[in-house]
Amino acid sequence: DQQVKQNSPSLSVQEGRISILNCDYTNSMFDYFLWYKKYPAEGPTFLISISSIKDKNEDGRFTVFLNKSAKHLSLHIVPSQPGDSAVYFCAALSSNTGNQFYFGTGTSLTVIP
Amino acid sequence: EAGVAQSPRYKIIEKRQSVAFWCNPISGHATLYWYQQILGQGPKLLIQFQNNGVVDDSQLPKDRFSAERLKGVDSTLKIQPAKLEDSAVYLCASSATSGSSWYNEQFFGPGTRLTVL
Repeated sequence: DQQVKQNSPSLSVQEGRISILNCDYTNSMFDYFLWYKKYPAEGPTFLISISSIKDKNEDGRFTVFLNKSAKHLSLHIVPSQPGDSAVYFCAALSSNTGNQFYFGTGTSLTVIP
Repeated sequence: EAGVAQSPRYKIIEKRQSVAFWCNPISGHATLYWYQQILGQGPKLLIQFQNNGVVDDSQLPKDRFSAERLKGVDSTLKIQPAKLEDSAVYLCASSATSGSSWYNEQFFGPGTRLTVL
């Protein structure tokens, strides 16, 4: 049962433009969300997170938006850089279940120079 | 600060053989996780340790998978016997325990890519 879904397996964007990666979830008990970035042959690394009490969190070029009513979050990267090319996973967790992460299937982002 | 270490990085075995993976978490991290990531899917939690005790192993196929963390530091994950569908990347992660927050960031190792032929 996939509780976190990323429906776009891949995305290509020109350098300097905006990248928008989407994530949907089904469990209304999720109250914390994270984005992880993964390069080939490396483990995922934390990128940015958002609590359910917020609808936006910004860190430099990265902004995460949360729409609780739609059970949807998105990651915006502006401007996109070639070094951003990686697989991006969203993850969700519930304070009721402690530190158990539920990961999406990932979106492979390619930033074209 | 050294990251999470895993070995081997790659392993190829035939079905019905046994295999073991090793993980050394970040020093001082009490919680250790093993994930299975099948190609095209997100990581799925197999087992979570708090020090040397198991917190959650509900998704571990216990008929063939086992894991231990005897001294509360490094950990091994074993598959015996392996099946074709066990081909995946096995990720180890660790997190510190913070008394001020229910959520603790997980730091991942590079993973072990297992191919079962």
